[in-house]
Amino acid sequence: SAVISQKPSRDICQRGTSLTIQCQVDSQVTMMFWYRQQPGQSLTLIATANQGSEATYESGFVIDKFPISRPNLTFSTLTVSNMSPEDSSIYLCSVELGGHEQYFGPGTRLTVT
Amino acid sequence: GQQVMQIPQYQHVQEGEDFTTYCNSSTTLSNIQWYKQRPGGHPVFLIQLVKSGEVKKQKRLTFQFGEAKKNSSLHITATQTTDVGTYFCAVPAGGTSYGKLTFGQGTILTVHP
Repeated sequence: SAVISQKPSRDICQRGTSLTIQCQVDSQVTMMFWYRQQPGQSLTLIATANQGSEATYESGFVIDKFPISRPNLTFSTLTVSNMSPEDSSIYLCSVELGGHEQYFGPGTRLTVT
Repeated sequence: GQQVMQIPQYQHVQEGEDFTTYCNSSTTLSNIQWYKQRPGGHPVFLIQLVKSGEVKKQKRLTFQFGEAKKNSSLHITATQTTDVGTYFCAVPAGGTSYGKLTFGQGTILTVHP
């Protein structure tokens, strides 16, 4: 298994500002993922972040809005830029281990006012 | 991309009753994973099914993968209050075998003591 931490755990932000979410893993992993979970909804994949390459974004998500960094095999950041109330959500990072199961961080609960 | 339909959306049971959630795909799946998310928590990996007709058990939980690898079910026998949460199936996204996941809509299970 993997132990994943996320910072911050929650935040309240004003529209138009940006927030950077950090994801730290206790072991080196190749594949890291960022998901969004809106209240009462399922998880939607934002992007895949592999170390040493540009993040790959899913349909409906763009780099200008959700820039991602992956500087090493244990760390990644997701920035939510120019926020609006529609960005209020839980943001989760996850990692895939050798058996292909994914382990999730505790999530960052974002409220945009 | 890969789509998976999950039903029911909600299930309310009395403690001790059984519970089943189903996932269906229009295309053949290479594998399917199941996750549980407790209220206020993050998704936790339960199991992965790979083989046609596979049945796996974890205590009171029974997981099945259909013969055609297009459907799967999670059955809980004699539910307990600790089973409360949302159960998601997840399948490989975009034609990949592993890595990116597409999650079902989830089934929210409520257990009344």
